[in-house]
Amino acid sequence: VLTQSPGTLSLSPGERATLSCRGGQSVSSRHLAWYQQKPGQAPRLLIYATSTRATGIPDRFNGSGSAPDFTLTISRLEPEDFAVYYCQQYGRSWTFGQGTKVEIK
Amino acid sequence: QVQLVQSGAEVKQPGASVKVSCKASGYTFSNYYMHWVRQAPGQGLEWMGWINPNSGGTNYAQKFQGKVTMTRDTSINTAYMELNSLNSDDTAVYYCARGGIYYDILTAFHYWGQGTLVTVSS
Repeated sequence: VLTQSPGTLSLSPGERATLSCRGGQSVSSRHLAWYQQKPGQAPRLLIYATSTRATGIPDRFNGSGSAPDFTLTISRLEPEDFAVYYCQQYGRSWTFGQGTKVEIK
Repeated sequence: QVQLVQSGAEVKQPGASVKVSCKASGYTFSNYYMHWVRQAPGQGLEWMGWINPNSGGTNYAQKFQGKVTMTRDTSINTAYMELNSLNSDDTAVYYCARGGIYYDILTAFHYWGQGTLVTVSS
């Protein structure tokens, strides 16, 4: 089970966003990913293996952490970053967190 | 470039079945696992299972065992996901997502289809 917090994050463009994902000790840092999803769109992979950015992902997105606590940081929010973010573990089957919505304050 | 193109939206009656397709291009279809993920309206992402396009082998999440069947047709680079005995709880967007290469199953999903909305309604 992956637990994301907070459920909703209200921030302004230019601010820093810090999203948390907590799993059990069995979640490997090699098998932790983050996705972004905008309304009406498929999820997009941002980060895999805890801290590796996927192809084409801007460097304002950074992943960090180790079991059981993982973090996605968006250094300076751009207007296009307001979306829902999911963490996923893929070391034991595949499971997603319940999501964090980043909304405009 | 890798593309996954899914079939169009479906409306089904309770008790019916639905079959969603996912046509792959831009890579060797048989070499990569294909996963299916469900998203109910306003809800999060739920992993349903995978198919190995090379062997046809499948692995379903426990929740979907007996409910879902994943198949493929390698001649047209297409994966299928069939859901049976539909009820209102099955109303959702269904995504296919490319998984890992045949020797590394434990990967994130780098490529996704656009999603297929299945609505179950009488």
